[in-house]
Amino acid sequence: AQSVSQHNHHVILSEAASLELGCNYSYGGTVNLFWYVQYPGQHLQLLLKYFSGDPLVKGIKGFEAEFIKSKFSFNLRKPSVQWSDTAEYFCAVNAGFQKLVFGTGTRLLVSP
Amino acid sequence: SAVISQKPSRDICQRGTSLTIQCQVDSQVTMMFWYRQQPGQSLTLIATANQGSEATYESGFVIDKFPISRPNLTFSTLTVSNMSPEDSSIYLCSVVFGGENIQYFGAGTRLSVL
Repeated sequence: AQSVSQHNHHVILSEAASLELGCNYSYGGTVNLFWYVQYPGQHLQLLLKYFSGDPLVKGIKGFEAEFIKSKFSFNLRKPSVQWSDTAEYFCAVNAGFQKLVFGTGTRLLVSP
Repeated sequence: SAVISQKPSRDICQRGTSLTIQCQVDSQVTMMFWYRQQPGQSLTLIATANQGSEATYESGFVIDKFPISRPNLTFSTLTVSNMSPEDSSIYLCSVVFGGENIQYFGAGTRLSVL
């Protein structure tokens, strides 16, 4: 069965610090990969996605993620976080029939 | 962009009762899904809501406990039946528009069972 692992459950950063959130998945075939974000009091929103092509994908608000097939990873990065990036971040994989398998989420707190 | 409305946004229910959650989209969608997010855990797919036919349930979820309807291309309901405290979770619907492989989520229904 497919699974997604997010290694950091809670991350605390100061503004302007760099961010990298880890995501690993287990599935041997072709996958589509997603990062969703849930800001406090808001619904899940798509941050970025990878379907094919350039393994470095850019999303909204300055986020990017790199797909490394050999490592089964899809880590999320941002060079300089802002207080408004405080949210919970979910990695998800879709490996057929549009079913999404989610990681456990990472709560990011950015202190001003 | 399309609006996905879930009702109710939250509810507190007594053990043994049932709650029906609605998901309404303001434009036609090709697929609708229902997820559960238990406290401190990730989102888990309950079922795919199929228009005009029985939903497709994931392992560990059954129709008697989570009956789902989808009478048209913009509306679906999930019922949580004979509730117990273990059913306390956030329930979310998601939709897919056209042929794109992206799911968009409603705001969720926060359910507490006493």
